[in-house]
Amino acid sequence: SQQGEEDPQALSIQEGENATMNCSYKTSINNLQWYRQNSGRGLVHLILIRSNEREKHSGRLRVTLDTSKKSSSLLITASRAADTASYFCATWGTGGFKTIFGAGTRLFVKA
Amino acid sequence: GAVVSQHPSRVICKSGTSVKIECRSLDFQATTMFWYRQFPKKSLMLMATSNEGSKATYEQGVEKDKFLINHASLTLSTLTVTSAHPEDSSFYICSARDSRGTYEQYFGPGTRLTVT
Repeated sequence: SQQGEEDPQALSIQEGENATMNCSYKTSINNLQWYRQNSGRGLVHLILIRSNEREKHSGRLRVTLDTSKKSSSLLITASRAADTASYFCATWGTGGFKTIFGAGTRLFVKA
Repeated sequence: GAVVSQHPSRVICKSGTSVKIECRSLDFQATTMFWYRQFPKKSLMLMATSNEGSKATYEQGVEKDKFLINHASLTLSTLTVTSAHPEDSSFYICSARDSRGTYEQYFGPGTRLTVT
């Protein structure tokens, strides 16, 4: 990817389990965002965390940010089959007014 | 919430022809719009940043004569794929940043281009 890697590339879990996805990036950032994309569809914005924030919650989502390690994680609790999608992190860097995407994690939640 | 539309949603064209994709911000003004390309099962690759009233800024490796970008108004940016080839087949997604300066970008639903 242009910015960094996501880990794992693919994740398969049972409904009700938690799913954790990690994202690493290369440059200094103003903020980091997580998006969801269903197959062949557009992006859905999930959550934005600013560089001076360490953790943020939204419903079943929990995002952490460690700027010293240039990494972020997305936790989806009590997953559902409908959570099956690709998840991307994206960073808005301090050096330029553009958003760069990570490689993405494909999550499959089995009912 | 802010809405970004793209037209067309799907297009099939023959090799050698040109195709134009429109990106509109429906309820906000966007001085900056972005064009991304996505291959199957891959991430979004930023192609260019489109600034209203000025030339687009292309990312390294993106041919500006191949992918013409015009951002003539605060609500419309267009991407024209010129002399299309089958390898240009892809999912093209635009996004727009609200001129009020919030960091959030709003993404269009994407355009599936197939070149035969």
